[in-house]
Amino acid sequence: QSVLTQPPSVSAAPGQKVTISCSGSNSNIGNNFVAWYQQFPGTAPKLLIYNNNERPSGIPDRFSGSKSGTSATLGITGLQTGDEADYYCGTWDNSLNDAVFGGGTQLTVL
Amino acid sequence: QIQLVQSGAEVKKPGASVKVSCKTSGYTFTNYGTSWVRQAPGQGLEWVGWISGYNAATNYAQNFQGRVTMTIDTSTSTVYMELRSLRSDDTAVYYCARDGGATFRDNWGQGTLVTVSS
Repeated sequence: QSVLTQPPSVSAAPGQKVTISCSGSNSNIGNNFVAWYQQFPGTAPKLLIYNNNERPSGIPDRFSGSKSGTSATLGITGLQTGDEADYYCGTWDNSLNDAVFGGGTQLTVL
Repeated sequence: QIQLVQSGAEVKKPGASVKVSCKTSGYTFTNYGTSWVRQAPGQGLEWVGWISGYNAATNYAQNFQGRVTMTIDTSTSTVYMELRSLRSDDTAVYYCARDGGATFRDNWGQGTLVTVSS
């Protein structure tokens, strides 16, 4: 059971927009920055978003992040078949004194 | 460019120990900490712990305290993770990752598969 809650799967058509939610509590998302990672099968996760809404160099602006209260959201616009992957949110939990992740969301581009 | 290169796959028996290495390059090792994150087959990401590249301070996840030890070798910019008393549910891919900040890992190793089986 993951500390952060994500939907197991989302889907959308090519060219469309999709959002992936990440729900937590005051001990984690409510008081810390959120990051998002993309993972293709058999490969390491890749940082997409950090500090709630910042993109590392090389990440296209089709990817965006936001946070409100104890929830965060990853948005992907102009969906491409190459975006099909698993997406994870992550942050720090002040009560556990651990880094925590969501259970992951599998994105399907139909 | 920043690289984290991990040691190869391991097969261990229950009760044994495993030590995984993560050789870093492309940045000032002592300016960053390194986390270890594992992923069991078909499962999500689980943080194992963190070690400072500056002074080797550690912070281990509650689930691993007493079983894990992380160390560094600043002469080779290498991080090590040793996990003891292995169980079958420790079977996972173990990743090292550079901590860009307290809440995110910005560069990851390729992963090391540790299989625990009798």
